[in-house]
Amino acid sequence: AQSVTQPDARVTVSEGASLQLRCKYSYSGTPYLFWYVQYPRQGLQLLLKYYSGDPVVQGVNGFEAEFSKSNSSFHLRKASVHWSDSAVYFCALKTGSSGSWQLIFGSGTQLTVMP
Amino acid sequence: NSKVIQTPRYLVKGQGQKAKMRCIPEKGHPVVFWYQQNKNNEFKFLINFQNQEVLQQIDMTEKRFSAECPSNSPCSLEIQSSEAGDSALYLCASSLYIQDTQYFGPGTRLLVL
Repeated sequence: AQSVTQPDARVTVSEGASLQLRCKYSYSGTPYLFWYVQYPRQGLQLLLKYYSGDPVVQGVNGFEAEFSKSNSSFHLRKASVHWSDSAVYFCALKTGSSGSWQLIFGSGTQLTVMP
Repeated sequence: NSKVIQTPRYLVKGQGQKAKMRCIPEKGHPVVFWYQQNKNNEFKFLINFQNQEVLQQIDMTEKRFSAECPSNSPCSLEIQSSEAGDSALYLCASSLYIQDTQYFGPGTRLLVL
């Protein structure tokens, strides 16, 4: 069965520090992977996506992610975080198996950026 | 930024009452998904449409939940008889193709008292 694991429920970093949010997926085929961010009382906003090709994908607001098939991972990174990056980040997987294209989400990582 | 519109943003109902929420997908997006996000950040896929046709839905939606995407009208998700466990954020997403990236609206937060 397909699944997504975000092992860190909460991450706290200081403003200006670098960031890595971890995501592991389980799927035997070629995955489509996404990172979404959810600010308080809002919906999900797409940060970036990976379909194929270069394993490092660039997203909005300086975020990037690296796909690793060998590690079944899709970690999100940012070189220097800002206080406004505080939010919940969700990694998601879409497989298309059995004609199903819904997203499978991880449990989210609450990021707090300290000033 | 997504241009999916969801109304109302907040909905409060008593147990047994109907709850109805609407979604206008991004212009030109014929595919619509509905998800339920609970307070533990667990997402549950409910149903999806391509134009007016249901492509896939989970068993839950066949009983108390109903949804439609009529031509030239907002899509809607309705819970016929709300239960406390239905309290959640209901997210609508749209995409250009079924396999394409999904763009989400702000959600409708339902509280069932």
